[in-house]
Amino acid sequence: DAGVTQSPTHLIKTRGQQVTLRCSPKSGHDTVSWYQQALGQGPQFIFQYYEEEERQRGNFPDRFSGHQFPNYSSELNVNALLLGDSALYLCASSDGTGTYEQYFGPGTRLTVT
Amino acid sequence: AQSVTQPDIHITVSEGASLELRCNYSYGATPYLFWYVQSPGQGLQLLLKYFSGDTLVQGIKGFEAEFKRSQSSFNLRKPSVHWSDAAEYFCAVGPNNAGNMLTFGGGTRLMVKP
Repeated sequence: DAGVTQSPTHLIKTRGQQVTLRCSPKSGHDTVSWYQQALGQGPQFIFQYYEEEERQRGNFPDRFSGHQFPNYSSELNVNALLLGDSALYLCASSDGTGTYEQYFGPGTRLTVT
Repeated sequence: AQSVTQPDIHITVSEGASLELRCNYSYGATPYLFWYVQSPGQGLQLLLKYFSGDTLVQGIKGFEAEFKRSQSSFNLRKPSVHWSDAAEYFCAVGPNNAGNMLTFGGGTRLMVKP
């Protein structure tokens, strides 16, 4: 049973560029959440997708947007990249049954230069 | 707003010694509480969770945690630490509604001396 997968593993971008990160949830899961983990800090919630809709959003600017596809996979898009966007981006999936147990992927390390 | 505090940024213990990592939370209702572990360059692995019932919960890898409502704490313990336990540990709290976002503490880095 494949767990949560994310691509790419690492990414280097320049300020002002746009980036797309991808996530495939654990088999049987229909809810995907995205977190940003800056170096030396705990993860911070960006947003959550369920039934292809953004269900909940953290305190992140509109430069951060997302999408969920019918197969439950998800994308995180960040426009107009800033140096401060450099972080590990984690995707987590859950099954939406109320257990609230989230399974995390290995993350995508984004470096903005 | 909910928040989580992990007072200890770094902890060093000797292999075989006992371990306790502290976690304090602020939340208006009955929280759902979690402990995750993160090895270098890796994602997060769930160690254990508390939703309701028995306040002492058992997790994987020999870890346990105790929920103390009066102290707003959910401390993680292990009776005997192994070198492979060296990692970053995160405490998290979640709301009990359909939007199950997690709020994480800043983490505690555990180092194990041989």
